[in-house]
Amino acid sequence: QVQLQESGPGLVKPSQTLSLTCTVSGGSMSSDGYYWSWIRQHPGKGLEWIGYIYYTGSIYYNPSLRSRVTILVDTSKNQFSLKLSSVTAADTATYYCARTQQQLGDDFWGRGILVTVSS
Amino acid sequence: DIQVTQSPSSLSASVGDTVTITCRASQSISGYLNWYQQKLGEAPDLLIYGASSLQSWVPSRFSGSGSGTDFTLTIRSLQPEDFATYYCQQSYDTPLTFGGGTKVEVK
Repeated sequence: QVQLQESGPGLVKPSQTLSLTCTVSGGSMSSDGYYWSWIRQHPGKGLEWIGYIYYTGSIYYNPSLRSRVTILVDTSKNQFSLKLSSVTAADTATYYCARTQQQLGDDFWGRGILVTVSS
Repeated sequence: DIQVTQSPSSLSASVGDTVTITCRASQSISGYLNWYQQKLGEAPDLLIYGASSLQSWVPSRFSGSGSGTDFTLTIRSLQPEDFATYYCQQSYDTPLTFGGGTKVEVK
């Protein structure tokens, strides 16, 4: 059973960079057909796709965040990461990492990590 | 971006009822529509992918249908554990987009 776990600071100051890591266990990130995604959910709101990465390094970002987002993968550690720069209070959200089957949905999710942007 | 409009945003139902949630995409997405269930304080769970294929753990009272732009999630004989928020998601093209959610509440 694949498991994902987000880690990183729960509090980030405005204008700084939010950095999160997702550690994958129970399966290899190098399996064909799976992308590795970041998704966020603002408090009490719906879901927003941030982007995903393939183990080869191919990346797709949401255009609404593209100028501030970087997603990287480290298959040797079975981890992938999210960096979101120049954060504001509008970036306060629960951030989830997930495994995405190509065009067939996100079948495994981490538990999520609440990141608050505040001074 | 492909917009996904989900309705209703909330509904009240009783145990044993049949409920229907719809999603409409702003353009044809073939059958690339997925449904998620999210309980309070938890991550979403993938229920249905490819419009109508149930994940192995999902009870048969859940069903999905549709293609093109119009899709439906039906829950028959609603059970206490089904009260949750449901989201649809199009996976036809990036950026992947979600519907706004439907909260299924106890009547």
